[in-house]
Amino acid sequence: NAGVTQTPKFQVLKTGQSMTLQCAQDMNHNSMYWYRQDPGMGLRLIYYSASEGTTDKGEVPNGYNVSRLNKREFSLRLESAAPSQTSVYFCASRQGGTDTQYFGPGTRLTVL
Amino acid sequence: AQSVSQHNHHVILSEAASLELGCNYSYGGTVNLFWYVQYPGQHLQLLLKYFSGDPLVKGIKGFEAEFIKSKFSFNLRKPSVQWSDTAEYFCAVNYEGSYIPTFGRGTSLIVHP
Repeated sequence: NAGVTQTPKFQVLKTGQSMTLQCAQDMNHNSMYWYRQDPGMGLRLIYYSASEGTTDKGEVPNGYNVSRLNKREFSLRLESAAPSQTSVYFCASRQGGTDTQYFGPGTRLTVL
Repeated sequence: AQSVSQHNHHVILSEAASLELGCNYSYGGTVNLFWYVQYPGQHLQLLLKYFSGDPLVKGIKGFEAEFIKSKFSFNLRKPSVQWSDTAEYFCAVNYEGSYIPTFGRGTSLIVHP
């Protein structure tokens, strides 16, 4: 039981490049989330998926897109990376009935 | 808009000192309350949670939190901190019927040996 896994762990991009962050969970959770964490800003929600087949914007969706590929997988795409997207990105899934969030190990992204 | 306030942004303590981190939320309805901890270089993990029942909740590693409904507060406490408690602590609130938790901005705790 791996919980929530994310790839890659580290990534360096140049401005304008694109990339996809992958996330998968094996806990059979319906809801999944993408957050970014910046110093002094706490966690900010980018997008979430309440259930398979649905996605919704969070607090800071601009510059990102998501795909809920199936119940297990929820990917985050940066179409044209900008230095302001330098951050640590966490994927999480939510245990229904308890609202407890389970987080992945994070992806540290640097955009030059 | 719903919000969660963590009043202490940075706390520095010596080992064996007592700890209390404040957390207040803005909405008076039914809530589920959480404290998450993030050790250096790691991801967030659940420290403790409150859903209902006894407002004094005990978590891992000797932490506890008290839900005071009249004050919309859920403060985290530990009687004697250890160097290994150095971490960032996040309070979070789930309002009834919402898929989206609201996180506080976090409190950075440094414990000197």
